[in-house]
Amino acid sequence: GQQVMQIPQYQHVQEGEDFTTYCNSSTTLSNIQWYKQRPGGHPVFLIQLVKSGEVKKQKRLTFQFGEAKKNSSLHITATQTTDVGTYFCVMYSGGGADGLTFGKGTHLIIHP
Amino acid sequence: GAVVSQHPSRVICKSGTSVKIECRSLDFQATTMFWYRQFPKQSLMLMATSNEGSKATYEQGVEKDKFLINHASLTLSTLTVTSAHPEDSSFYICSARDRGTKFDSPLHFGNGTRLTVT
Repeated sequence: GQQVMQIPQYQHVQEGEDFTTYCNSSTTLSNIQWYKQRPGGHPVFLIQLVKSGEVKKQKRLTFQFGEAKKNSSLHITATQTTDVGTYFCVMYSGGGADGLTFGKGTHLIIHP
Repeated sequence: GAVVSQHPSRVICKSGTSVKIECRSLDFQATTMFWYRQFPKQSLMLMATSNEGSKATYEQGVEKDKFLINHASLTLSTLTVTSAHPEDSSFYICSARDRGTKFDSPLHFGNGTRLTVT
């Protein structure tokens, strides 16, 4: 079956520093989604990537989908305290509901 | 936008009792709902996939007789924690996908249920 790895599990940064989390799949993906969960809250959909090599930006957030559609990254420029939370990817490899795989998430901790 | 309502938000129960958690899609129909468990400062752990009108698919290591899932309608899935013990204390959260969308469409999450077993 599909193997998914999301790294790092935890990331401590000083406010203003950049942050990146990565998701890697052992199989080619149909698409990938990114979600953010604030402490004490529920996950909220951020973005979906579909095309090979796709890059999308949301203000300070940049999302990339690898050329081989097996990996993706989320990069935050100049982190702010509001960026605190867990970021996780949801990968879809096709084949109906069985093709859905959840990354374990990256906890972003920001120090003022 | 699509709203998923999860109830109760918090519940405290005694060891040995059962607790039912409801997950409702308020403004859309959901053929598939997902149930997760999350320990403090840990990531979401997918427990099972709930399919309307059929048996749930459980992830490896999740006891189906312990965590009963029923998806009786297109807008409601329930998770029952049977014979709860303190180690079942956790944050349980559900998500749903609009019936009219594809399998790879974004998920809508409920607000979660904080279960404490004393």
